[in-house]
Amino acid sequence: GENVEQHPSTLSVQEGDSAVIKCTYSDSASNYFPWYKQELGKRPQLIIDIRSNVGEKKDQRIAVTLNKTAKHFSLHITETQPEDSAVYFCAAEDGGFKTIFGAGTRLFVKA
Amino acid sequence: GAGVSQSPSNKVTEKGKDVELRCDPISGHTALYWYRQSLGQGLEFLIYFQGNSAPDKSGLPSDRFSAERTGGSVSTLTIQRTQQEDSAVYLCASSPLGAGGLNEQFFGPGTRLTVL
Repeated sequence: GENVEQHPSTLSVQEGDSAVIKCTYSDSASNYFPWYKQELGKRPQLIIDIRSNVGEKKDQRIAVTLNKTAKHFSLHITETQPEDSAVYFCAAEDGGFKTIFGAGTRLFVKA
Repeated sequence: GAGVSQSPSNKVTEKGKDVELRCDPISGHTALYWYRQSLGQGLEFLIYFQGNSAPDKSGLPSDRFSAERTGGSVSTLTIQRTQQEDSAVYLCASSPLGAGGLNEQFFGPGTRLTVL
């Protein structure tokens, strides 16, 4: 079955710097890769996603890149702000909609 | 509109007892997922339902866990003979599985289960 690995587990950056979180997946059949943000005590919420027929997608300060050959994808957050502090989860979904999540990255943005 | 709701929000039980957790998905969403999140950990897939298809139960950790979805709407996750390692937050999510198969999942607030 699918296995998703995510790193780093913890990331601390200064406000205004960029943050990069990387994930790898094992199942070449996976074709949908969402990213969720979970603030402390709250439920996860989708922030960006990408399909396997696209290499990069951007939405304001966040972007996701996908390398299907290498089976890895990354989240990039530019000009980080304190409100970006949260746990970020990557996920991979096979064609049957089963979704496997990474272990999460706790991002701290220091003001 | 109303989001995904779960009940109870907190459940404390004694080891060996059975518990039922309920999820009310967003109306019209065809897919429903259950996940388990232990303290400070990731989201562990348990089971998902999609329309009238047979559910994918491949994530259920043991035969003490079961789930059903009645009428394509409300779902119940049942844990029999609870163990202390079952303590976690159980999250439910639903998805409309929109055009192009994009699968944004909308999560409920979770049920925090504590097994004493």
